[in-house]
Amino acid sequence: SLVLTQPPSVSVAPRQTARITCEGDNLGDKSVHWYQHKSGQAPVLVVHDDSVRPSGIAERFSGSNSGHSATLTIRAVETGDEADYYCQLWDYNSDQYVFGSGTHVTVL
Amino acid sequence: QVQLIESGGGVVQPGRSLRLSCETSGFLFQSYGMQWIRQAPGKGLEWVAFLPFDGMNPRYSDSLRGRFTVSRDNSKKTLFLQMTGLRVEDTAVYFCASRPPGRTFLDFWGQGTLVTVSA
Repeated sequence: SLVLTQPPSVSVAPRQTARITCEGDNLGDKSVHWYQHKSGQAPVLVVHDDSVRPSGIAERFSGSNSGHSATLTIRAVETGDEADYYCQLWDYNSDQYVFGSGTHVTVL
Repeated sequence: QVQLIESGGGVVQPGRSLRLSCETSGFLFQSYGMQWIRQAPGKGLEWVAFLPFDGMNPRYSDSLRGRFTVSRDNSKKTLFLQMTGLRVEDTAVYFCASRPPGRTFLDFWGQGTLVTVSA
């Protein structure tokens, strides 16, 4: 089935921009969603359908998707953004959900 | 206010069974697809199972090999996961999550329940 690859970690200074990539075959043809997960808490949807921000999510979070790569961008990073981030999609070929390997964002 | 509350986790010996529940409120449960996702210690999120709104045609991760069964009671707004033949590698926090009608993202999640499989 489809494999989604993310960098294990990204480090960013406060107020800078973090970019988290998610790579997979022909990802640009699929709808990619992103979740923020802080330890001990419920994961939170931060971007769906490549670039749509749910109600209540800060405008600092944005997404894009084309070719074989999707990207979650966090502008003006805050200490509260430190978390694990996962991309995810529904693979129609295998009829299964697929999660990316996850990226831990560290705010320096 | 949307709430998803998992329960039923605990410590169980290898080979035994366990049934998890996910009680929900605050949204039209009978119209939503529901899933189970798990996270083993130190690992990432792993999708376990999906059940459409009507309880028909469940989907499962290939790695489970038929050991888990997902079901729902729309009258009680509750999702279940029956786990049999548990293995040490099934040790994880198990989350339930809701999928809006016609969409593929998971809009709300519970905080999870811990299942520990150990002799």
